[in-house]
Amino acid sequence: DGGITQSPKYLFRKEGQNVTLSCEQNLNHDAMYWYRQDPGQGLRLIYYSQIVNDFQKGDIAEGYSVSREKKESFPLTVTSAQKNPTAFYLCASSIQREVYEQYFGPGTRLTVT
Amino acid sequence: GQQLNQSPQSMFIQEGEDVSMNCTSSSIFNTWLWYKQDPGEGPVLLIALYKAGELTSNGRLTAQFGITRKDSFLNISASIPSDVGIYFCAGRGNAGGTSYGKLTFGQGTILTVHP
Repeated sequence: DGGITQSPKYLFRKEGQNVTLSCEQNLNHDAMYWYRQDPGQGLRLIYYSQIVNDFQKGDIAEGYSVSREKKESFPLTVTSAQKNPTAFYLCASSIQREVYEQYFGPGTRLTVT
Repeated sequence: GQQLNQSPQSMFIQEGEDVSMNCTSSSIFNTWLWYKQDPGEGPVLLIALYKAGELTSNGRLTAQFGITRKDSFLNISASIPSDVGIYFCAGRGNAGGTSYGKLTFGQGTILTVHP
C-alpha cells in the first residue's frame, strides 16, 4: 500500500538536545512538506522540498533543519535553537509542486522537557 | 502573508443534523481544499476545488468554491458519530514565485456529534 510513514508516533527529549523526525513516502511524489500543529491552531509550514537536493524555508523555519537526499525521504531535525519545540509534527507530500493536493502522514508528537 | 478565517470554531450537533462551515480569505485563492483530522492523526483530504463557483460532493459532504474566490463552504448532511473531528480548509493563493505549491490553512472547526 502506498502512503506516508512517520516515526516514531511519540518522541520525548530533554531540552537542549537535537532530535530528528522521520518521514518516508512510497507514493513517488516529488514534493514533500513539514508542518507544525499546536492546539487550537491551523497547520504552519516549516520547510518544503519540491525536488531532491532542494528545499525551501516555510513560515516558521527558525530552529529547524531538513535534508532531501532521496525522493522518498524528508527528515526534519528540531534543533536546540527552537524555543518551543513541543508540538505535533506532520509530514505531507504532493505529486509535484503544481498539484496542490497534499497527503499527510500520521504525525509525530514531540514533547521536550 | 495570506490568512484564512474559518468559522465556526466549534459545533455541537445532534446525530442526523446537517452541518455548515466556511472559510474566508482576505485575498483571492485559486484552489480550496477541505481536510478532516481525527484526534492524534494526520489530516485526510476530503474535497479539492479548482474553479470559482465549483460545487463538488463526496458522499454526504458537499463543498463549494465561492464566486468571489475569497471563500469556500463545506456542508455535511445527516451527520453521524464518525463525523466527529476537526475540519480544516486550506487555500492556495496567487502569490506565485517562491510560494508556489504552498498552502495556507484555516484554524479548524471542531465538530462534536451527539448520538
